Amino acid sequence: GESVGLHLPTLSVQEGDNSIINCAYSNSASDYFIWYKQESGKGPQFIIDIRSNMDKRQGQRVTVLLNKTVKHLSLQIAATQPGDSAVYFCAETATSYDKVIFGPGTSLSVIP
Amino acid sequence: GAGVSQTPSNKVTEKGKYVELRCDPISGHTALYWYRQSLGQGPEFLIYFQGTGAADDSGLPNDRFFAVRPEGSVSTLKIQRTERGDSAVYLCASSVSGGHTDTQYFGPGTRLTVL
Repeated sequence: GESVGLHLPTLSVQEGDNSIINCAYSNSASDYFIWYKQESGKGPQFIIDIRSNMDKRQGQRVTVLLNKTVKHLSLQIAATQPGDSAVYFCAETATSYDKVIFGPGTSLSVIP
Repeated sequence: GAGVSQTPSNKVTEKGKYVELRCDPISGHTALYWYRQSLGQGPEFLIYFQGTGAADDSGLPNDRFFAVRPEGSVSTLKIQRTERGDSAVYLCASSVSGGHTDTQYFGPGTRLTVL
């Protein structure tokens, strides 16, 4: 069936470096993509989203890139901080009427 | 204001028992969602309410699972005849107006353990 998945299950980065978390999706009809951050014992927290008519969107210290040709999504975190340590999920949906499908997650560990 | 709250934070029950999990959404949010998250996996959609009605219940795994939102605010997820495979974290989220593309704000979840 259709699925969203991540290339790297774990990622360790040095504090101050940039982080890149990748995600592949298989549903070519997907129109809306979201990145969530989940800290231990907490629910997912919305970070940034992007629609399929865009290829890049920037937030505070985060950038999401979308390549529909190869069905690839990435989250870039600039100047990674210890507080960025968490599991990051990409998620997608085709329309407002279709359920959000989450990928399996990438664990980001920031080394002080 | 306060975020989404869920009670209890932890629930341990025995196989075959009935459980209720409660979700208090952000005040004024008309849409409410339930997800289930197994260890090491992403959340899995269960059901979505728009106001008092279930707009999409396609994620409920079987008829042992049922959810209500009688006054369009608080919601209760009910699981009958619990099985060990029901053990997971049950997450609730709410959004301002609804639809799966509306930004969802999650609660901390209820960890359900079925012995």
